[in-house]
Amino acid sequence: KQEVTQIPAALSVPEGENLVLNCSFTDSAIYNLQWFRQDPGKGLTSLLLIQSSQREQTSGRLNASLDKSSGRSTLYIAASQPGDSATYLCAVASDYKLSFGAGTTVTVRA
Amino acid sequence: NAGVTQTPKFRVLKTGQSMTLLCAQDMNHEYMYWYRQDPGMGLRLIHYSVGEGTTAKGEVPDGYNVSRLKKQNFLLGLESAAPSQTSVYFCASSFLVAGANVLTFGAGSRLTVL
Repeated sequence: KQEVTQIPAALSVPEGENLVLNCSFTDSAIYNLQWFRQDPGKGLTSLLLIQSSQREQTSGRLNASLDKSSGRSTLYIAASQPGDSATYLCAVASDYKLSFGAGTTVTVRA
Repeated sequence: NAGVTQTPKFRVLKTGQSMTLLCAQDMNHEYMYWYRQDPGMGLRLIHYSVGEGTTAKGEVPDGYNVSRLKKQNFLLGLESAAPSQTSVYFCASSFLVAGANVLTFGAGSRLTVL
C-alpha cells in the first residue's frame, strides 16, 4: 500500500521568500506524481505533473523535482506572494488511482 | 464549461439516514472517482469507475455504494449514515494523456452526520 507523507504540515513565510515543499512515498513503482493546490472550501487544482521517467517539471514560478528511486519529490515556489497561500498536496499515481499526502498549508505574509 | 459538478454542496444527516451524492461531468471522461477528505489525512479513495457500468472499491469503501449507469454520472450512496462518515467528499473525473491520469475535481460536498 502506497503511503505518501508531506512535511511540514504547515509553513509560514514572508512575501518574496522561496518555498520548498517536500513529499515522500514508500513504493517507487509509480506512473507519475502530481502536485495540487487547494484553496479553503474549494476543490483541487492540478499544478504540475511529473511522469515517472522525468526528473523535473516547471511552470512559471513553480518547479517540481522527482527522485523516484529515493521516493521523494520537492515543489519549489520562487518569490512567494500572498496569493500563493493555500494547501499544497502531492499525489502519486499507480494505475488509475492516486494516493494523496495530507498536504502542506502555506501562509505567505505580506 | 461546467467540468465536474457535485450536488448537494452541503448536507446534514441524522445517524441511520440515507442519502445520495451526485457527480456529473461534461468532459466525456472515462474514469471517475469518489474521495473523502478528513483533517490531517489527505484524500482517501472510496470507490472508482473505469467506464460506464463499472465500479471498483478503493481504499475506504465500507459503508458506501456507487453506481455508474451513465458515463457522465457517478453516484455515491450512504445507506445508513454514521458519524464517522462526516467528511468532505470530492468527486473527480479523468482521462489518460500520454499515459498520465489527469484528474479534474469537483468543488466538494460537505456532509455532517449527527
